[in-house]
Amino acid sequence: EDKVVQSPLSLVVHEGDTVTLNCSYEVTNFRSLLWYKQEKKAPTFLFMLTSSGIEKKSGRLSSILDKKELFSILNITATQTGDSAVYLCAVLPQGGSEKLVFGKGTKLTVNP
Amino acid sequence: NAGVTQTPKFRILKIGQSMTLQCTQDMNHNYMYWYRQDPGMGLKLIYYSVGAGITDKGEVPNGYNVSRSTTEDFPLRLELAAPSQTSVYFCASSPWTSGSGTQYFGPGTRLTVL
Repeated sequence: EDKVVQSPLSLVVHEGDTVTLNCSYEVTNFRSLLWYKQEKKAPTFLFMLTSSGIEKKSGRLSSILDKKELFSILNITATQTGDSAVYLCAVLPQGGSEKLVFGKGTKLTVNP
Repeated sequence: NAGVTQTPKFRILKIGQSMTLQCTQDMNHNYMYWYRQDPGMGLKLIYYSVGAGITDKGEVPNGYNVSRSTTEDFPLRLELAAPSQTSVYFCASSPWTSGSGTQYFGPGTRLTVL
């Protein structure tokens, strides 16, 4: 069975801290890994990774994939209160239906 | 484009009642999905569709039904509501050419069954 495990499940930091969120997976025929940010409503897309070792960056957020070790990390530097959210990792196995397998998420709280 | 829209935003049902959660997308996406999200949990796939007239079960389909008569609409039907169906429901869509899994989510419907 395909599985995605995120850690930690929750994290509380102060503004300005740097955080690293982890995502490991066991998926048959991996195709891509995605990170989503979920505030109080729907998840919004952050990154999609398909190749090992290539860092994707968007402002203070960055992510990297290790296909050999089957994990990804999401880094957030100089955190702000607006970064408080649940961060979801999802993996897309091979197949024609584009069905994502989601982890449970990491709840990040950034305190002033 | 409005993207993916869902109605209603909130609903309270009594045990045994029925209802339909509506989902519409205006991006001409072929793939559409229904997820439920319980507190502290990730998203679990209920049903999905790869195009009009084609639907299939996801991870947790029991107690639900779907139909896809048009590309735009993908309603989710609860026939006999149970307290275990209390959850937040998200509809999502994805273009045929995505190849990456990128899905666009609606704002969600918060359902409580009492």
